[in-house]
Amino acid sequence: DAMVIQNPRYQVTQFGKPVTLSCSQTLNHNVMYWYQQKSSQAPKLLFHYYDKDFNNEADTPDNFQSRRPNTSFCFLDIRSPGLGDAAMYLCATSRETGTPIQYFGAGTRLSVL
Amino acid sequence: AQSVAQPEDQVNVAEGNPLTVKCTYSVSGNPYLFWYVQYPNRGLQFLLKYITGDNLVKGSYGFEAEFNKSQTSFHLKKPSALVSDSALYFCAVRARHRSFNKFYFGSGTKLNVKP
Repeated sequence: DAMVIQNPRYQVTQFGKPVTLSCSQTLNHNVMYWYQQKSSQAPKLLFHYYDKDFNNEADTPDNFQSRRPNTSFCFLDIRSPGLGDAAMYLCATSRETGTPIQYFGAGTRLSVL
Repeated sequence: AQSVAQPEDQVNVAEGNPLTVKCTYSVSGNPYLFWYVQYPNRGLQFLLKYITGDNLVKGSYGFEAEFNKSQTSFHLKKPSALVSDSALYFCAVRARHRSFNKFYFGSGTKLNVKP
């Protein structure tokens, strides 16, 4: 029944070692989002895709990149993780038109050693 | 600027008592308002939304919320709290940002329901 699936659920990486988080969806939504969430704070939007159009938040570090090869999949690449990048990363999807609900995946908790 | 405020970091309530989690918003135009719940190490789960129509909206797990346009509020309520309702609750508003719609989240309120 899972509609937004994130893999892996837990990821441990080393300082400076590139890491990729993945998200897939079965909802056929045209918008996909990546959020960073630290310590029960509000999710912070990193970027989103409207179809293939990539929209970066102004304060998202260059260290974070994203790819969306097709409607169903979206990836978050962290090129050189720092200790401050340890967080929960949430993927979400929505329709741009119609019922505007965001559906979230279970998240990937990233640890940086 | 669009914003959402949740004035309480934490709400404590006894099981069986009514609960209220507060949310106020500031947005230009008509707001689309949402409540989400987050359990530990999980993603956000949609509870309910207000788009238009009746000011009292009902959602999942017995939760409801009241939209008050004059007070720009959208408080989450439940008549009788359960211990299993203990979680982190986020209020959100969807508003126009440049050429697309963006979701703005409040800072979250931790709900503790004690037996």
